[in-house]
Amino acid sequence: DTAVSQTPKYLVTQMGNDKSIKCEQNLGHDTMYWYKQDSKKFLKIMFSYNNKELIINETVPNRFSPKSPDKAHLNLHINSLELGDSAVYFCASSQWVGGVNEQFFGPGTRLTVL
Amino acid sequence: AQSVTQPDIHITVSEGASLELRCNYSYGATPYLFWYVQSPGQGLQLLLKYFSGDTLVQGIKGFEAEFKRSQSSFNLRKPSVHWSDAAEYFCAVGEAAGANNLFFGTGTRLTVIP
Repeated sequence: DTAVSQTPKYLVTQMGNDKSIKCEQNLGHDTMYWYKQDSKKFLKIMFSYNNKELIINETVPNRFSPKSPDKAHLNLHINSLELGDSAVYFCASSQWVGGVNEQFFGPGTRLTVL
Repeated sequence: AQSVTQPDIHITVSEGASLELRCNYSYGATPYLFWYVQSPGQGLQLLLKYFSGDTLVQGIKGFEAEFKRSQSSFNLRKPSVHWSDAAEYFCAVGEAAGANNLFFGTGTRLTVIP
């Protein structure tokens, strides 16, 4: 059983295009996240949603728009893709376990912008 | 502001040797601390976590970590490394409230030689 899944796993596209990445979790968690991992493997939070509501939006260009149709899904739409958007994007979900907010990560989506 | 430092970018150890990966954090309150492992082309898997209580925590795959408040450290250890442990290791500090985001270090790449 896949806990946090993302589609697609790989995405290659041209500059200027619009693309979406989908994320689904079957863990019953209330909170979901999007992280970006750059070419140097640095992971940084982009967005956090709790019960379909945005609760954090780090300094991310407004070309990136998260959408949460329900508690189990958090999709990421990117407009006018740029070369610098090439990265691995990870979705995660979390719950409180024993007083600790434990996050579970998806397998990642490798986005390459040409 | 929260931050995590992993001083070692790359470590090489022989199979069967012991391992210690360093992690230092900066956080204003009692931290939630995590170690994640990322195998090539894979997502992040939680190895272990610390919130309170015993400062020596046990994780999966034979890993352990020790929280030392006086040194702001949370180093990961394993007494005998296996070839399958070759991966990227990330230390992270979690927020105790609010968005509960994770702030990651830059990672340490572990190479295991026969």
